[in-house]
Amino acid sequence: EAQVTQNPRYLITVTGKKLTVTCSQNMNHEYMSWYRQDPGLGLRQIYYSMNVEVTDKGDVPEGYKVSRKEKRNFPLILESPSPNQTSLYFCASSLLQGRSGANVLTFGAGSRLTVL
Amino acid sequence: AQTVTQSQPEMSVQEAETVTLSCTYDTSESDYYLFWYKQPPSRQMILVIRQEAYKQQNATENRFSVNFQKAAKSFSLKISDSQLGDAAMYFCAYNSGAGSYQLTFGKGTKLSVIP
Repeated sequence: EAQVTQNPRYLITVTGKKLTVTCSQNMNHEYMSWYRQDPGLGLRQIYYSMNVEVTDKGDVPEGYKVSRKEKRNFPLILESPSPNQTSLYFCASSLLQGRSGANVLTFGAGSRLTVL
Repeated sequence: AQTVTQSQPEMSVQEAETVTLSCTYDTSESDYYLFWYKQPPSRQMILVIRQEAYKQQNATENRFSVNFQKAAKSFSLKISDSQLGDAAMYFCAYNSGAGSYQLTFGKGTKLSVIP
């Protein structure tokens, strides 16, 4: 089944304790991205990657890191989490073919992160 | 920067009735894509419908259709014969179509379906 898999789905952690949210896709998609969803704000892009070793900032990158060492994986790293990073996180991927909007994003199931 | 506005934080509809969710956007581009995503309580993001700006015809997917008014920069979603399973958060989203793969989302509209 074609899918984007995120882990963990739920996590409660404490301020300053480094954590990684993994994201893996099995569709050979070049493009991958991370969004965070907060009540009243919708989804906002954190980082994205156009291919292996190519990453760039989205609208809200502060406090996050990413890496793209393999095409299928795009982990989100919180080096020193803070309470304002409590959120619902989504990983998404798509092909890079033709015009960008023609490539529909496939979303993961979301990861609920709470930072105490 | 593009912005997407959903002015209705919450809406409700009787089962089997029709409801329209509003979305407006701001862009200076002429070629772009618009989307409606559904997020049920499971939190999964599900694509409902997509509209290409250069296509005059409004997109339709079964009970879901859009009213795309390019000049007014309006992109509303109509749900006909509403079902209990339609209860969800609905997000309107914009993509510039010019090489950026980023989706700009509205803040969402929570739709309740009354039995």
